[in-house]
Amino acid sequence: GAVVSQHPSRVICKSGTSVKIECRSLDFQATTMFWYRQFPKQSLMLMATSNEGSKATYEQGVEKDKFLINHASLTLSTLTVTSAHPEDSSFYICSARTGPSSGNTIYFGEGSWLTVV
Amino acid sequence: AQSVAQPEDQVNVAEGNPLTVKCTYSVSGNPYLFWYVQYPNRGLQFLLKYITGDNLVKGSYGFEAEFNKSQTSFHLKKPSALVSDSALYFCAVRGYNQGGKLIFGQGTELSVKP
Repeated sequence: GAVVSQHPSRVICKSGTSVKIECRSLDFQATTMFWYRQFPKQSLMLMATSNEGSKATYEQGVEKDKFLINHASLTLSTLTVTSAHPEDSSFYICSARTGPSSGNTIYFGEGSWLTVV
Repeated sequence: AQSVAQPEDQVNVAEGNPLTVKCTYSVSGNPYLFWYVQYPNRGLQFLLKYITGDNLVKGSYGFEAEFNKSQTSFHLKKPSALVSDSALYFCAVRGYNQGGKLIFGQGTELSVKP
């Protein structure tokens, strides 16, 4: 079945630095990917919709200059947390949507734990 | 605005007993409804979805869900729970013409005891 891969699965960075998380669709092309943030034992909060070849669409309250999203190809979207602070520590999950021929099914990556120290 | 509610934070079930995890939704137009399961420190795994057709949808690992339009519900069920079913379950909704943008419920933690 379809697989979505995230890398790294865990990352620790220092305050003030930037960190990049990758989301790849391994066996299908995804024109649209989504980035979510999840706090422990809480629901997923949609941060932004990543569109291949165009700017991401951010949800209300999400700082686009802090959470940079790039969707450079049909199989890769990246989330860069810029000037990270401890409050950015969270579990970040991406998802990717298959095309109409595959039922527009949405698959999720395994998530990436970010710890800012 | 679209929304999903999972009224129970936690559901406890004995192994072998049937389980139900509740979900109600609010959306304009016809809803696309989904159930996902999340194991600790992992991403979400797709269980099943309702787009159109039969109200009873069968999914992975023996789970099924029943779409009830009049009650705006989409409860997840399994006839006989396994200890390995213990996890966090999320109901999600996508409105018509919303692409892949999902709105999630707050999640229900299912605990199945031997």
